[in-house]
Amino acid sequence: GQQLNQSPQSMFIQEGEDVSMNCTSSSIFNTWLWYKQDPGEGPVLLIALYKAGELTSNGRLTAQFGITRKDSFLNISASIPSDVGIYFCAGQLVSGGSNYKLTFGKGTLLTVNP
Amino acid sequence: NAGVTQTPKFQVLKTGQSMTLQCAQDMNHEYMSWYRQDPGMGLRLIHYSVGAGITDQGEVPNGYNVSRSTTEDFPLRLLSAAPSQTSVYFCASSRAGAEQFFGPGTRLTVL
Repeated sequence: GQQLNQSPQSMFIQEGEDVSMNCTSSSIFNTWLWYKQDPGEGPVLLIALYKAGELTSNGRLTAQFGITRKDSFLNISASIPSDVGIYFCAGQLVSGGSNYKLTFGKGTLLTVNP
Repeated sequence: NAGVTQTPKFQVLKTGQSMTLQCAQDMNHEYMSWYRQDPGMGLRLIHYSVGAGITDQGEVPNGYNVSRSTTEDFPLRLLSAAPSQTSVYFCASSRAGAEQFFGPGTRLTVL
């Protein structure tokens, strides 16, 4: 099956620093998504990317859909304590009847020290 | 809209017991799915449905059953619980395409 490699597994940063994380795949995807999960909650969608090369921002968050369609990046600028959580990438390959299935990375645990 | 709701929030079972995790959405979404989340494993797809009366297996379906009799509800059944099914279970829904909305989760412990 499809595999997503998400890195880094965890990050410890100081408030105000910028953060970068990425996902790579052995297969191409038509859609990339980034979710954030707060402790004890379900994942919440941050950014969705639909075209190769697309660069999309949501406040301090910026994500890019790689040109090869096999990778995606998420950047967080000027981190704040509430950015703490687990960030997941997810990819979707439109394929016949299973075109709604998402493959998730294993997550990046972000800790922000005030 | 309540979005995606899940009950119960917490559950403890003994090995061999059966139970049903409930999931409902009020957004008229066609697609619904169940995931389990284990430490270091991310989210893994158990079963999914593209509409009422249609279900299919995901990545880790063994030990779980689903049905989709209405658009709103998508229950997940554990027929004979095993300790390996201790996990956090998330239900998600979407109208079409990839933007799935997740419920708050059910934390299940099997002793």
